Amino acid sequence: EDQVTQSPEALRLQEGESSSLNCSYTVSGLRGLFWYRQDPGKGPEFLFTLYSAGEEKEKERLKATLTKKESFLHITAPKPEDSATYLCAVQGWGTASKLTFGTGTRLQVTL
Amino acid sequence: DGGITQSPKYLFRKEGQNVTLSCEQNLNHDAMYWYRQDPGQGLRLIYYSQIVNDFQKGDIAEGYSVSREKKESFPLTVTSAQKNPTAFYLCASSLGLAGGPADTQYFGPGTRLTVL
Repeated sequence: EDQVTQSPEALRLQEGESSSLNCSYTVSGLRGLFWYRQDPGKGPEFLFTLYSAGEEKEKERLKATLTKKESFLHITAPKPEDSATYLCAVQGWGTASKLTFGTGTRLQVTL
Repeated sequence: DGGITQSPKYLFRKEGQNVTLSCEQNLNHDAMYWYRQDPGQGLRLIYYSQIVNDFQKGDIAEGYSVSREKKESFPLTVTSAQKNPTAFYLCASSLGLAGGPADTQYFGPGTRLTVL
């Protein structure tokens, strides 16, 4: 059974204070690892897909990296508008594109 | 604009009633999904459909039903048999790639269902 664990559950940063969110996973053959951003009361917004260990992707202040056991979402010099819940999900081979989600990291960035 | 729409945004239901949540997409995606989100829990898959007129149960299908008569539409009915239906419901769609690279899912804005 695929499993995803995200840490920390919540993170409070000051504006400009860089940090990383962790996503540990177990999957029987990784087809892809996904990061989403979710604002309160809204649907998840797609950020990144990572396919294999060693891969990195960047978007503005966010950079996602992938190893064989975990993924990190690095946030560089965050701004208050980066405040959201960040969700990690994995997709294994032979699962008809189903996703297994973690419970998310709730990020708050203050001035 | 291409995207996924869900309606209504908020829905209130009395106990014992069935309600239907709408999900429409104009992304020309083959696959569609329904998830349930509860506080402190990850998104859980209710039903999914990889092609018109076909759908499969997800991890928590009991008390729910779906149909897929058109490629663009995947309505979810929450029946009176669902013991704890109050939750945030999310619809998603993807290209439905059977093999090859990972198949990214895109989400709608969600429907919040409250049972009174």
